[in-house]
Amino acid sequence: DAGVTQSPTHLIKTRGQHVTLRCSPISGHKSVSWYQQVLGQGPQFIFQYYEKEERGRGNFPDRFSARQFPNYSSELNVNALLLGDSALYLCASSGGSGMVKTQYFGPGTRLLVL
Amino acid sequence: DQQVKQNSPSLSVQEGRISILNCDYTNSMFDYFLWYKKYPAEGPTFLISISSIKDKNEDGRFTVFLNKSAKHLSLHIVPSQPGDSAVYFCAASGFKAAGNKLTFGGGTRVLVKP
Repeated sequence: DAGVTQSPTHLIKTRGQHVTLRCSPISGHKSVSWYQQVLGQGPQFIFQYYEKEERGRGNFPDRFSARQFPNYSSELNVNALLLGDSALYLCASSGGSGMVKTQYFGPGTRLLVL
Repeated sequence: DQQVKQNSPSLSVQEGRISILNCDYTNSMFDYFLWYKKYPAEGPTFLISISSIKDKNEDGRFTVFLNKSAKHLSLHIVPSQPGDSAVYFCAASGFKAAGNKLTFGGGTRVLVKP
């Protein structure tokens, strides 16, 4: 079975630009979460979606937004990129209802902002 | 405010011996705990989890222990193998704490020497 997939794998942008990252969950999983991991730290929660509705938002500015589609795939959008947005962006999916807690991660998208 | 802490940034162990990784948390509303392993350039891989109603969970070479009164959990890997060399993250979640988002520690880098 395919795991969580993310695209693109790597991305280079300049300050002020906009970026869209994509995620496809494990088949049958209805919940998708996004995390940001900067070097030397653990992943930080950005968003969680379940059945196309936002179920949680982390401490990130409004420049960060996301959505989930009817097929449960998801997009993370970041506007007005800053140098500090350079990080590994991870998508995770979990199955069944929103109460299932084990999350399975994709390989991530590494974003570099110059 | 770091709610999940891994106080040992690194650990070196001989092949065949036991690796013990520790994790402390502060939020008493956490009720589910997970360990992930991460290789460079990959997403975190789920290893093992434990619910707060248990104090031990075992899966092959991996055992997680939970001490709720001390707000402490540990991961034991026996026997350690060179392929276990990676960064290990503990994570906590709890619907009452913060929906189903995962809160991660900073990670412990494990090196298993042949």
